[in-house]
Amino acid sequence: EAGVTQFPSHSVIEKGQTVTLRCDPISGHDNLYWYRRVMGKEIKFLLHFVKESKQDESGMPNNRFLAERTGGTYSTLKVQPAELEDSGVYFCASSQSHILYGYTFGSGTRLTVV
Amino acid sequence: GQSLEQPSEVTAVEGAIVQINCTYQTSGFYGLSWYQQHDGGAPTFLSYNALDGLEETGRFSSFLSRSDSYGYLLLQELQMKDSASYFCANIMDTGRRALTFGSGTRLQVQP
Repeated sequence: EAGVTQFPSHSVIEKGQTVTLRCDPISGHDNLYWYRRVMGKEIKFLLHFVKESKQDESGMPNNRFLAERTGGTYSTLKVQPAELEDSGVYFCASSQSHILYGYTFGSGTRLTVV
Repeated sequence: GQSLEQPSEVTAVEGAIVQINCTYQTSGFYGLSWYQQHDGGAPTFLSYNALDGLEETGRFSSFLSRSDSYGYLLLQELQMKDSASYFCANIMDTGRRALTFGSGTRLQVQP
């Protein structure tokens, strides 16, 4: 089966610009998550979708970040306007209902804000 | 709050056995997972412990002791391709399925 796909793989934007990241989860996975790793630190949770609904968005850093999952399929994460501290690697993951199977992560989008 | 602590780096030689420890302090705990990440790649699920004891999957084993708030990942017969970062991660409860990750342990396997 195809894995979790993210694009772009890299993005370099200027401070104040807008960037939209996309994630295509594994087909049939209702659960979709966004995570972020900043400056080699730990990977931190941003939010969790169940189908098209936001189940948990407690990790979203501020209102410059907007996530959507139209129709419960792919998801987008928009950063507007981007700040320097938003630089990092943004990972998307999806999972089946039972956590014993673990989460399948995408390879991430490396965002650099200059 | 939650925190998971791991050593930042571990070095071992090919064919050896290495243990990566993870201690945690959490306000809730459901289970401990381990993920492997090669540079530039996706974190890959290795194992999950919900109960105390040892789980074995090929060359990799994972252990959990809830009473000690401690777990470890054991890698046997190390190969060069095992050089990667290893993360322990906790799920606080099934009501919130967010993973909380440790800061990761970089394993360097030498010939």
